[in-house]
Amino acid sequence: EVQLVESGGGLVQPGGSLRLSCAASGFTFSSYWMSWVRQAPGKGLEWVANIKQDGSEKYYVDSVKGRFTISRDNAKNSLYLQMNSLRAEDTAVYYCARSSIYSYGSIPFDYWGQGTLVTVSS
Amino acid sequence: EIVMTQSPATLSVSPGERATLSCRASQSVSSNLAWYQQKPGQAPRLLIYGASTRATGIPARFSGSGSGTEFTLTISSLQSEDFAVYYCQQYNNWPSVTFGQGTKLEIK
Repeated sequence: EVQLVESGGGLVQPGGSLRLSCAASGFTFSSYWMSWVRQAPGKGLEWVANIKQDGSEKYYVDSVKGRFTISRDNAKNSLYLQMNSLRAEDTAVYYCARSSIYSYGSIPFDYWGQGTLVTVSS
Repeated sequence: EIVMTQSPATLSVSPGERATLSCRASQSVSSNLAWYQQKPGQAPRLLIYGASTRATGIPARFSGSGSGTEFTLTISSLQSEDFAVYYCQQYNNWPSVTFGQGTKLEIK
């Protein structure tokens, strides 16, 4: 059974840092693109970052570039999001998700974790 | 950035009736369009990818259509468990993806 379990959320002051983790199981982690998607309270979904299977390519939404870093450890089946210089507008539930992306066809975000809440407030 | 616009924002439908949700892209996304369902307090669930392919385990009452800039999600006979928020997403520009703002499907 595919499982994605996020952790590391919590309350942090503006300007602070937080590191989110996503533990994967039930599939070959190193074969999939992995992503972070967030959802502010009462709002819609916003893609945050993607990382390629081997970690060689990373992409971010403009609003987090230079502040957030996505990474992965395939030996530990884990995905991470290092969040620095946090702002109130980063308050959201953060989900990790996996995707199968190939030139002949893709299946985006087919499995999601349950999410972890990040609250940025003084 | 490709902007995804969903309509209507809220759709009120009676159980057993058909629901039709729309999604428009600001430029062509070919068939690289997915639909997700999200219930309160839960993570989103992939329903449709490739504009019309049902994801694993998704009932046949869910169907997707369209290509280019206009897409539709149809639920043929609404069940009580189908009342939720639905999001479309383009992934034509992978690894940059964008979601629509969502359509809330509520019981009439």
